[in-house]
Amino acid sequence: SAVISQKPSRDICQRGTSLTIQCQVDSQVTMMFWYRQQPGQSLTLIATANQGSEATYESGFVIDKFPISRPNLTFSTLTVSNMSPEDSSIYLCSVRTGGSAGELFFGEGSRLTVL
Amino acid sequence: GENVEQHPSTLSVQEGDSAVIKCTYSDSASNYFPWYKQELGKRPQLIIDIRSNVGEKKDQRIAVTLNKTAKHFSLHITETQPEDSAVYFCAASGRGTGNQFYFGTGTSLTVIP
Repeated sequence: SAVISQKPSRDICQRGTSLTIQCQVDSQVTMMFWYRQQPGQSLTLIATANQGSEATYESGFVIDKFPISRPNLTFSTLTVSNMSPEDSSIYLCSVRTGGSAGELFFGEGSRLTVL
Repeated sequence: GENVEQHPSTLSVQEGDSAVIKCTYSDSASNYFPWYKQELGKRPQLIIDIRSNVGEKKDQRIAVTLNKTAKHFSLHITETQPEDSAVYFCAASGRGTGNQFYFGTGTSLTVIP
């Protein structure tokens, strides 16, 4: 398994501002992902955070809105840019341990409320 | 890309009864199928998983079955207890998905004491 720490755990933000969420893992992992979970909904993959290269975004998500950094194998950030109330959601960092055959573990999530 | 469908969206059972949740997937290259339990306000937690070379896996009161031909898999919980009440998500992953995980829409299970 992996211990995944996310911060902030929650925040209230004003429309038009940006917020950066940090994800720290206690071990080196190759695969790190960012998910969004809107209230009462499922987990939607935003992007795969690639170490040393640009993140790979899913359909419907773009780099300008959700820039991601992955400077090393234990850390990543997700920025939610120019926020609107529709961005109110829980954002979850996740890692796959054990390579391509491993399990997926989640951080505690960051609950963002945009006013 | 992978499309995972999950049914039912809500399920209520009496304590002690069994609960079954079903998922289908679209990508025949998917080869790993985990199930997650998410309690209110908490992160999803892996409860059981199955790989494509296995038809069934059991862990105490929970079991998962996989039918690769039909591309569906199911979660079975026996002797349900109130603490089983949560939202359950299925997921699929494999080379076809770039080893990413795609999740079903979730099932809210309520166990009535």
